[in-house]
Amino acid sequence: GAGVSQTPSNKVTEKGKYVELRCDPISGHTALYWYRQSLGQGPEFLIYFQGTGAADDSGLPNDRFFAVRPEGSVSTLKIQRTERGDSAVYLCASSLLGGGRDTQYFGPGTRLTVL
Amino acid sequence: DQQVKQNSPSLSVQEGRISILNCDYTNSMFDYFLWYKKYPAEGPTFLISISSIKDKNEDGRFTVFLNKSAKHLSLHIVPSQPGDSAVYFCAARGYNNNDMRFGAGTRLTVKP
Repeated sequence: GAGVSQTPSNKVTEKGKYVELRCDPISGHTALYWYRQSLGQGPEFLIYFQGTGAADDSGLPNDRFFAVRPEGSVSTLKIQRTERGDSAVYLCASSLLGGGRDTQYFGPGTRLTVL
Repeated sequence: DQQVKQNSPSLSVQEGRISILNCDYTNSMFDYFLWYKKYPAEGPTFLISISSIKDKNEDGRFTVFLNKSAKHLSLHIVPSQPGDSAVYFCAARGYNNNDMRFGAGTRLTVKP
């Protein structure tokens, strides 16, 4: 079935570089979420899109992180001037409508390693 | 701040026996709780949920219990099967909250 897909599956970059991580949500899902999972931790919320707009970006750690969803479907998480502490698995999830009771479906994640 | 805590990083049980995974939370505004299962190299998969108006929800071999006064929930798997071996995450959210708060996970190993 067509679940949430994320590309690339792995990304290795050098400190200070810029990276883009892509998420393709389930077709028809209006809500899209980005999470970050560090080693030994659970996923940590970063940002939530409802349609094209970022409805809640309170989880973004600083202004080096930015995400877009220009057509209300595919989303890109952008990280500028990467730091070693950005190394983590970045998970994307989508849900049909959003809201507290909607089930979120996760993609396999992108493992980012900053050297 | 850790609003959702899973204090047992790992659990090992014998096939056919019961697995009990525990989770504690601190935020009284949480009113919806979920369990996700995660296999290596895959994203978390939704397993079962419970609303704060209930104290039990059952789906096949999986049952979630909620004790609001203790701010504690647990996931029971019975009988446990080797295919249940995975990392289990507890998560919580408020009614109008967009973000889920996850625990650190418990790695369950079911031995044949």
